[in-house]
Amino acid sequence: DIVLTQSPGTLSLSPGERATLSCRASQRVNSNYLAWYQQKVGQAPRLLIYGASSRASGIPDRFSGSGSGTDFTLTISRLEPEDFAVYYCQQYAGSPYTFGQGTKLEIK
Amino acid sequence: EVRLVESGGGLEQPGGSLRLSCEASGFTFLSYAMSWVRQAPGKGLEWVSTIRGTGDTTNYADSVKGRFTISRDNSKNTLYLQMNSLRAEDTAIYFCAKFGGYGGFDSWGQGSLVTVAS
Repeated sequence: DIVLTQSPGTLSLSPGERATLSCRASQRVNSNYLAWYQQKVGQAPRLLIYGASSRASGIPDRFSGSGSGTDFTLTISRLEPEDFAVYYCQQYAGSPYTFGQGTKLEIK
Repeated sequence: EVRLVESGGGLEQPGGSLRLSCEASGFTFLSYAMSWVRQAPGKGLEWVSTIRGTGDTTNYADSVKGRFTISRDNSKNTLYLQMNSLRAEDTAIYFCAKFGGYGGFDSWGQGSLVTVAS
């Protein structure tokens, strides 16, 4: 099974700053089948990025994904107040379709 | 507009059974794989199970294998999760999710709370 490790566990930043979230896989993620999700309290997750770097429909261009193989990054170029949430990465290259443990992005 | 609506959650005793349903609309249901993902209180997301569009292929997390069964009725645009031999650690919000055509789970339901306690 592919284990995804996200870092940091919590990231404290201010609106307008740049956020960089990391997701490291225990083995290569084939075809870069790596997704990123945003989840706010009391809500379902929302798909942000698929295929490691493609933005999902309706996602603002301040969100970008990069990486390949075992190391992936979600970058939020300029934080808006609504971006403070928990972010998860997930691999869907093969079952089990594991999630990372999440990174909480909080207001500093 | 894609819409996924879960139902069937509730309180059940350890060892009991529950069946969750997820009614889908706004897309061609049989064309997409569907999944269940759960989230224990205050915890992260855990993938539970996936079923292909035709229903002929299913996958399960080790934590539920042999106890949970995923199925779908494409004539009713409905996804199911039959949960047997429930344990306290199965307590969670259960989300159904649509596998996107390009990857990732691109639509999610609002979730259904399952509580396993005596």
